[in-house]
Amino acid sequence: SAVISQKPSRDICQRGTSLTIQCQVDSQVTMMFWYRQQPGQSLTLIATANQGSEATYESGFVIDKFPISRPNLTFSTLTVSNMSPEDSSIYLCSAGGVDYEQYFGPGTRLTVT
Amino acid sequence: QQQVKQSPQSLIVQKGGISIINCAYENTAFDYFPWYQQFPGKGPALLIAIRPDVSEKKEGRFTISFNKSAKQFSLHIMDSQPGDSATYFCAAGPNTGNQFYFGTGTSLTVIP
Repeated sequence: SAVISQKPSRDICQRGTSLTIQCQVDSQVTMMFWYRQQPGQSLTLIATANQGSEATYESGFVIDKFPISRPNLTFSTLTVSNMSPEDSSIYLCSAGGVDYEQYFGPGTRLTVT
Repeated sequence: QQQVKQSPQSLIVQKGGISIINCAYENTAFDYFPWYQQFPGKGPALLIAIRPDVSEKKEGRFTISFNKSAKQFSLHIMDSQPGDSATYFCAAGPNTGNQFYFGTGTSLTVIP
C-alpha cells in the first residue's frame, strides 16, 4: 500500500485568495487523483493528475479554478483559486497503482471566510 | 446521475450483530468494487475490494457479496464492534484505470 501525506492539514482563508495543497506519496505511483468532500457527504472527483501533462478534469471543474501540477511520480499539488465560501470543503488526494487499489491521504480541511 | 447508489444512509447495530450495507451500479464497464471506511477527520481507508469474477470475498469479519447479474454488491460486517462505528463508502471503477465513482456513504453506529 502507499502512504500519502498532505499539507496543510487545514486552513482558514479569505475570500478571493488562493491556496495550494501539496500531496506526497511514499512510493512511485501511476495515478494520482484529487477529490472534494463536503462534510458528511460523499467524494467527488475533481481531476486526475497526469505526470508530465495537463490534468484531466471532471465535469464541473475547470483548470482556471483548480490548477493541478504533477512534476513527478510521487508529488502533486492542487490550487484552489479565487476562493469563495462555496469552496469550503475537505480536499483529498489519492494514489493508485496498476492493480486498481487506491489509497487516500488524510485530507485538507479548507474554510473560506 | 448517481453512478453508484448506496443504502441505507445510516445504520445502528448492536454489538455482536451483523451490519449490512448495499450498493447498486448501472455501468457494466465497472469491474472493480472497493469499500472504504472513514473515521471523522480522516481520509477514507481501503477496507476490502472485489472483482466480478468472484461472488464473494472475505477478509476477517468483513465480507463482500457480489451479484453480477443484478449489478449489486454488499458489505457484511460480522460480529460488529463499537470500533467499527464509521462511515462506509462503496465505489466502482471501470477497467480503464483507477477512476472510481463513490456511493453516498453509510454512517454505521455500533451500540455497546
